[in-house]
Amino acid sequence: DTGVSQDPRHKITKRGQNVTFRCDPISEHNRLYWYRQTLGQGPEFLTYFQNEAQLEKSRLLSDRFSAERPKGSFSTLEIQRTEQGDSAMYLCASSLEAGLAYEQYFGPGTRLTVT
Amino acid sequence: QKEVEQNSGPLSVPEGAIASLNCTYSDRGSQSFFWYRQYSGKSPELIMFIYSNGDKEDGRFTAQLNKASQYVSLLIRDSQPSDSATYLCAVNGGKDSNYQLIWGAGTKLIIKP
Repeated sequence: DTGVSQDPRHKITKRGQNVTFRCDPISEHNRLYWYRQTLGQGPEFLTYFQNEAQLEKSRLLSDRFSAERPKGSFSTLEIQRTEQGDSAMYLCASSLEAGLAYEQYFGPGTRLTVT
Repeated sequence: QKEVEQNSGPLSVPEGAIASLNCTYSDRGSQSFFWYRQYSGKSPELIMFIYSNGDKEDGRFTAQLNKASQYVSLLIRDSQPSDSATYLCAVNGGKDSNYQLIWGAGTKLIIKP
């Protein structure tokens, strides 16, 4: 396994359109995280899954954002009615289990530009 | 509110010197700490993690943890221009945070040839 993969790597969309991103975690990892990152900031937590269960969503996440991990493998993040403020790098990470000893590994990210 | 603080930099270090990056955290109960490197336009890459007080060495990198003072540092020996990047400190929030990582904003490091 070569690590976490994300698709697409870049997405340009017009304001008001819907976009969907995909993340494939490292195969044996059962935790999957979505983050958003803007210039000069650390990753901002959006949501995470343990297997197929979505266990937490950031309070900052509006109802335009939804994520799924239907079979506990890949995950999708959808943004409806995109706004210019949604322009950012969307990062996916995965880890094996949970706890203090389990580090997160990131995919290459999806760069979203909303025009 | 659990917080992780880093000096945003930029920190400029001559090639071949030791670069020292620092991070402080607010939750005294934090038990594991991570350093990630992020090149411009790329995603974070895990460099090291540390759980115990003291030093942990991996090649040119040394992580130092002082839980009493609530800081963690990363030393890079024999700095190379390829080490120029933003270094992110992350702290595991523990069981009451579902073991999520709490992130600093990063320190930009510039290695001058």
